[in-house]
Amino acid sequence: QKEVEQNSGPLSVPEGAIASLNCTYSDRGSQSFFWYRQYSGKSPELIMFIYSNGDKEDGRFTAQLNKASQYVSLLIRDSQPSDSATYLCAVFLGAGGGSGAGSYQLTFGKGTKLSVIP
Amino acid sequence: SAVISQKPSRDICQRGTSLTIQCQVDSQVTMMFWYRQQPGQSLTLIATANQGSEATYESGFVIDKFPISRPNLTFSTLTVSNMSPEDSSIYLCSVEASYPTQETQYFGPGTRLLVL
Repeated sequence: QKEVEQNSGPLSVPEGAIASLNCTYSDRGSQSFFWYRQYSGKSPELIMFIYSNGDKEDGRFTAQLNKASQYVSLLIRDSQPSDSATYLCAVFLGAGGGSGAGSYQLTFGKGTKLSVIP
Repeated sequence: SAVISQKPSRDICQRGTSLTIQCQVDSQVTMMFWYRQQPGQSLTLIATANQGSEATYESGFVIDKFPISRPNLTFSTLTVSNMSPEDSSIYLCSVEASYPTQETQYFGPGTRLLVL
């Protein structure tokens, strides 16, 4: 069973601080990694994508990937109250790698709820 | 990214009835996905819908309960049949995208279903 694990939180950080969200995955063959943000009552919104080891920065967001440790993280610098949401980690196992026959399935973690305190 | 719409946005249904949810995309896509998100939970994939072939269902989901249609490259429907209160959930469609990668998925706004 392919698994993606996240700490459910809630993770509380003060405004202006760095929020660190972590995700581990079980399948070493995983190829691509996504972070989605989901506000309460809304659908998931893609915010970051990474497939190479190392860091990838986009504005206040940095995704970090360590395939040897099977670990991907999302850092949010200068956290704002508007960043308060649930963050979902998603992993692509590779074409045909899903549990069903769909070749482009993403496996989602349960999400980490982030609360940024003003 | 693709613009995705879903109808209805929410509904309250009686036990034993069926509801058909529509998903419309503003561009042609090969793969569409249907998810369920129960309260406080993450996303569970119900099935993958490819145009021109039968949907592929995940373990625990069957065609009799969740029939899916995919008549063309911009549209799909999911029916929740013979509903029970346990079917109360958010139902989301998503589509594959070519950016940043082919396996990227973008989500519709969701359908919030309450079964009484």
